[in-house]
Amino acid sequence: EVQLVESGGGLVQPGGSLRLSCAASGFTFSNYWMSWVRQAPGKGLEWVANIKQDGSEKYYVDSVKGRFTISRDNAKNSLYLQMNSLRAEDTAVYYCARPRVTASLGAFDIWGQGTMVTVSS
Amino acid sequence: DIQMTQSPSTLSASIGDRVTITCRASQSISSWLAWYQQKPGKAPKLLIYKASSLESGVPSRFSGSGSGTEFTLTISSLQPDDFATYYCQQYNSYSGTFGQGTKVEIK
Repeated sequence: EVQLVESGGGLVQPGGSLRLSCAASGFTFSNYWMSWVRQAPGKGLEWVANIKQDGSEKYYVDSVKGRFTISRDNAKNSLYLQMNSLRAEDTAVYYCARPRVTASLGAFDIWGQGTMVTVSS
Repeated sequence: DIQMTQSPSTLSASIGDRVTITCRASQSISSWLAWYQQKPGKAPKLLIYKASSLESGVPSRFSGSGSGTEFTLTISSLQPDDFATYYCQQYNSYSGTFGQGTKVEIK
């Protein structure tokens, strides 16, 4: 079964750090661009970051540039999001997502269940 | 960055109605547009990719059209399972921007 499972969410104070993980199974992880998408409570979807198959290219939404780092370990079939200098506005459910074809950057057909990040004192 | 604007933000409709949601891009994205359905507490579900291609397993009452900067998602005959929030997403550029969403409610 093709699957993505996120972990690592939780409650963190403003200015703190958190590392999210996404474990992939059921497909050749190293063949796909991968992305993180978030959704603040009661709000819409926001694309956060993506990473090329070999990790050589990474792109971020402006609001997280310089604070978040996306990475991957193809040997472990895992995607990561290191989040530093967290702010209240980063509070959201964070999803990892896979595009439906290997050459694509979007049209995500596989999503994880999401992991909740709450930034609050 | 490419901005995506959906309309309307909320739509009230009845079972059997034909429903149309519009998505506009701030610059041309060719046909690199996807549509998703999301229900509360669940991850989004891909409905349409490349503007008009129906994802496997998605009912044929869903259809997409458009290219360049103007796109539409149409539900030909609204069913009870279709009450949800719908998002468009462009993937022409390296940033996969989403529209703000359209909530389809029961009239």
